[in-house]
Amino acid sequence: GNSVTQMEGPVTLSEEAFLTINCTYTATGYPSLFWYVQYPGEGLQLLLKATKADDKGSNKGFEATYRKETTSFHLEKGSVQVSDSAVYFCALSVPPTAGNKLTFGGGTRVLVKP
Amino acid sequence: GAGVSQSPSNKVTEKGKDVELRCDPISGHTALYWYRQSLGQGLEFLIYFQGNSAPDKSGLPSDRFSAERTGGSVSTLTIQRTQQEDSAVYLCASSLGTSGRETQYFGPGTRLLVL
Repeated sequence: GNSVTQMEGPVTLSEEAFLTINCTYTATGYPSLFWYVQYPGEGLQLLLKATKADDKGSNKGFEATYRKETTSFHLEKGSVQVSDSAVYFCALSVPPTAGNKLTFGGGTRVLVKP
Repeated sequence: GAGVSQSPSNKVTEKGKDVELRCDPISGHTALYWYRQSLGQGLEFLIYFQGNSAPDKSGLPSDRFSAERTGGSVSTLTIQRTQQEDSAVYLCASSLGTSGRETQYFGPGTRLLVL
């Protein structure tokens, strides 16, 4: 089956620190990969995505590269801000066998302190 | 433009009662999904609808759960004879299509508490 494993949190950082959240996956087929973010009191929203190997998704200073050889999609940001405090979810979908339904990792809570 | 909306935002019910949760997707989105977010199970897929095709119900945890989508727009998730383990946040999402590469847009969720 399909599954996503991401590092457990919480991750506590100081402002301007470097952030990495590891994500690895198992998929029967060729997945598309996503990072969703849930800010405090808000709904889930897409942060970035990549749909084929070696693609790099980027948004709001965050980046993740689709690595087929290591089945990974690690999220990175070079200099975090307090406003980046949130829960981050790695996810995949596997067209066409599994349609568009998302399989999520367990989420990683990130807390950035001033 | 308007995003995905869900109602009610919170629902408290007694064990054994039925509940209905509503989702209004983004206008023009043909695909609609239901997920559940709970402490013990994380984010789980429940069901999705695509146009006039038969829904994919593979994620529904039991036959107490059902969903329908009327007129290709609004959807209702029904839980019959609620149990305490049904307590969770129920999330609805919609997307333009189901290529598997589409962005899903999530609503704010309905927080269900079964006493």
